[in-house]
Amino acid sequence: AQSVTQLDSQVPVFEEAPVELRCNYSSSVSVYLFWYVQYPNQGLQLLLKYLSGSTLVESINGFEAEFNKSQTSFHLRKPSVHISDTAEYFCAGAGNQFYFGTGTSLTVIP
Amino acid sequence: DVKVTQSSRYLVKRTGEKVFLECVQDMDHENMFWYRQDPGLGLRLIYFSYDVKMKEKGDIPEGYSVSREKKERFSLILESASTNQTSMYLCASREQVYSGNTIYFGEGSWLTVV
Repeated sequence: AQSVTQLDSQVPVFEEAPVELRCNYSSSVSVYLFWYVQYPNQGLQLLLKYLSGSTLVESINGFEAEFNKSQTSFHLRKPSVHISDTAEYFCAGAGNQFYFGTGTSLTVIP
Repeated sequence: DVKVTQSSRYLVKRTGEKVFLECVQDMDHENMFWYRQDPGLGLRLIYFSYDVKMKEKGDIPEGYSVSREKKERFSLILESASTNQTSMYLCASREQVYSGNTIYFGEGSWLTVV
């Protein structure tokens, strides 16, 4: 069965510090992986996705994620966070359905 | 730009009431989904639809039903609302099944059942 596990439910980090949000997946079929971000009182927005090709994918606001097949991971990273990055982040795997992790709440501390 | 619109952002209903949550997408997407979001539980799939008049149960369909009479509209129905259905409900859509297609979300509907 396909599933996605986010290893941290809450991640506090100081402004301008680096951050990593961890995601592991299991799949017996195909691997399409996504990161979504949810700002307070809003729906989810696509941050980035891996379909094939280069294992490092980037978003327009400085986040990146690396697909690691041997470790079945798709961790999200940013070298320097801003206050505006405070949000809930969801890792997801896709097949006929989407399989979401339970989310990681990122809080950036001034 | 992709647009998924949920008609009601905030609703308060009484126990036993019938509740309709409406969702409309303007991208001509075949697939539509209803999720429920609760703290610590992430997103759980209630129902999804591959196409008009088609529906499939997700992980937590009990207490819910859906309707998809037109391609652009997917309705979630709570036949008799209960307090444990107080939650945030998210509608989403996606183009025809290709696993790499992005799923697009509406803004969410906050439902409180009292």
